[in-house]
Amino acid sequence: EPEVTQTPSHQVTQMGQEVILRCVPISNHLYFYWYRQILGQKVEFLVSFYNNEISEKSEIFDDQFSVERPDGSNFTLKIRSTKLEDSAMYFCASSDGGTFSQYEQYFGPGTRLTVT
Amino acid sequence: AQTVTQSQPEMSVQEAETVTLSCTYDTSESDYYLFWYKQPPSRQMILVIRQEAYKQQNATENRFSVNFQKAAKSFSLKISDSQLGDAAMYFCAYRPETSGSRLTFGEGTQLTVNP
Repeated sequence: EPEVTQTPSHQVTQMGQEVILRCVPISNHLYFYWYRQILGQKVEFLVSFYNNEISEKSEIFDDQFSVERPDGSNFTLKIRSTKLEDSAMYFCASSDGGTFSQYEQYFGPGTRLTVT
Repeated sequence: AQTVTQSQPEMSVQEAETVTLSCTYDTSESDYYLFWYKQPPSRQMILVIRQEAYKQQNATENRFSVNFQKAAKSFSLKISDSQLGDAAMYFCAYRPETSGSRLTFGEGTQLTVNP
């Protein structure tokens, strides 16, 4: 069964450093998302991406964040200058947008980001 | 703005018993989708069950079923014959009908299954 994959599973970085989190969505999917979950809290939407551009972003997704689909398969989230409060689990998700299952977002296993 | 509320931070159930997790939401939309996701200690998000708002019939997936009350904006999850593997954090989520829309999650309910 197709699945969303994310790398790395755990990233440790120092405050102020740039990090790139990588995701490979399911191959025929058209919509891509990033969510984050601070430990012990609920999952929060960051950004959605469709047709090579951001379709929606939350107030969390400020100028420190950017997303890119550099080739036909990868979808990346870049944090330009990490802060301690960026420590969280980051989930990538995708959906196909063309059939009934467009209503379902498939989640990757997450990347745990620790900022020290 | 849509909001999702789970008022039970923690619930526990005896193995083989039935438990119901509560969820309420607020929206001005008439068409939307509701979901329950399970998050085990691995923190993977696993879809348990979905409900389309236009369907009056409650969704069922094996031991998992929902009680969807559209007028009351209530969406509870019932787990029958609870198993040790059901222990996890459960999140209720809402999504408008529009393709590509974000999911809005509740705060989660931590379910413990006692042997």
